Amino acid sequence: GQQVMQIPQYQHVQEGEDFTTYCNSSTTLSNIQWYKQRPGGHPVFLIQLVKSGEVKKQKRLTFQFGEAKKNSSLHITATQTTDVGTYFCSGATNKLIFGTGTLLAVQP
Amino acid sequence: GAGVSQSPRYKVAKRGQDVALRCDPISGHVSLFWYQQALGQGPEFLTYFQNEAQLDKSGLPSDRFFAERPEGSVSTLKIQRTQQEDSAVYLCASSVGHWRGYTFGSGTRLTVV
Repeated sequence: GQQVMQIPQYQHVQEGEDFTTYCNSSTTLSNIQWYKQRPGGHPVFLIQLVKSGEVKKQKRLTFQFGEAKKNSSLHITATQTTDVGTYFCSGATNKLIFGTGTLLAVQP
Repeated sequence: GAGVSQSPRYKVAKRGQDVALRCDPISGHVSLFWYQQALGQGPEFLTYFQNEAQLDKSGLPSDRFFAERPEGSVSTLKIQRTQQEDSAVYLCASSVGHWRGYTFGSGTRLTVV
């Protein structure tokens, strides 16, 4: 079945450092969505990418959708302690499948 | 309402007991989804409704799991004869459309003892 994998599983950075998480799907996706889940919280929608090669920015966050629509990345510039949480990509074929997630820890 | 509301927030069930989890989606959202999230894992798809029609139930782990949305609004996820492996957070999400961003509720944490 369809699988969506993310790397790394865990990243610990110093505040101010950059962070990137990568998402890979075993199948071509119609779109990809990114969510953030704070510890003890629920996933919160960040963004959706639809077009091949699409790049979107939200302040310090940059999201990219691969040309083949099978991979994506999220890059955070100059991390802050408020960025702490697990970042999930989720890919859509006939249903939305969530990736394995990357847990980001930011040390002040 | 302003967000997706789930109840109860926490549920402890004895093994073998039946449970019912409720989801009240955002008004006007036609798409409703149930996910199961185990500790440290990503949400796993259970089932999807468009209005009152259950279009995909391929993620339901067994025939002990049943979901309904009879009037196209509130949904209930029922688990019969609960087992310890059913312990997880059950998340409900709604969306204006199948491929639009989901709004998740706070989830129901089910613990089967």
